[in-house]
Amino acid sequence: EAQVTQNPRYLITVTGKKLTVTCSQNMNHEYMSWYRQDPGLGLRQIYYSMNVEVTDKGDVPEGYKVSRKEKRNFPLILESPSPNQTSLYFCASGRSGGLSYNEQFFGPGTRLTVL
Amino acid sequence: DAKTTQPPSMDCAEGRAANLPCNHSTISGNEYVYWYRQIHSQGPQYIIHGLKNNETNEMASLIITEDRKSSTLILPHATLRDTAVYYCIVHRWGKLQFGAGTQVVVTP
Repeated sequence: EAQVTQNPRYLITVTGKKLTVTCSQNMNHEYMSWYRQDPGLGLRQIYYSMNVEVTDKGDVPEGYKVSRKEKRNFPLILESPSPNQTSLYFCASGRSGGLSYNEQFFGPGTRLTVL
Repeated sequence: DAKTTQPPSMDCAEGRAANLPCNHSTISGNEYVYWYRQIHSQGPQYIIHGLKNNETNEMASLIITEDRKSSTLILPHATLRDTAVYYCIVHRWGKLQFGAGTQVVVTP
């Protein structure tokens, strides 16, 4: 089944404790992206990657790191999480088609709470 | 990327067509118009996208004005399962900006 998986789905952690949220897709997509969703602020893009070893900042990259060492995986790293990073996180992937990135498939979301 | 403007909410009767407007007056020539929807806190679901021409798929139709400054998503026969937040997005080169979207409630 074509899908985007995220782990963990739920996480409660404490300030400053490094964490990684994994994202994996099995559709051989070039494009992958991370978003966070907060009440009243909608979905905001954190980072995106157009292909292996190519990453770019979205609108809210501060406090996050990403890497794209292989096509299927795009982990989101919080080196020193803070309470303002408490949010619902989504990973997405899509095919590249020239200037269009066609439909993006979203993962089920990771609900992160930083105490 | 161009910003989009959508009405915050819209009601629609089950079985009727739902017409969702979106204004993107600052869109540039290479930017596509995308529509997604999100049910509760699930991951957004792709609906349709287009550049200049009108598009139709099994879910919806997308009508883009000739000047490309606005578009309309049409759900031809709304069902209760179409209740969701609908997002109109314009983007190119991978950077997406979701606005607040339109909360659509389909009523029996």
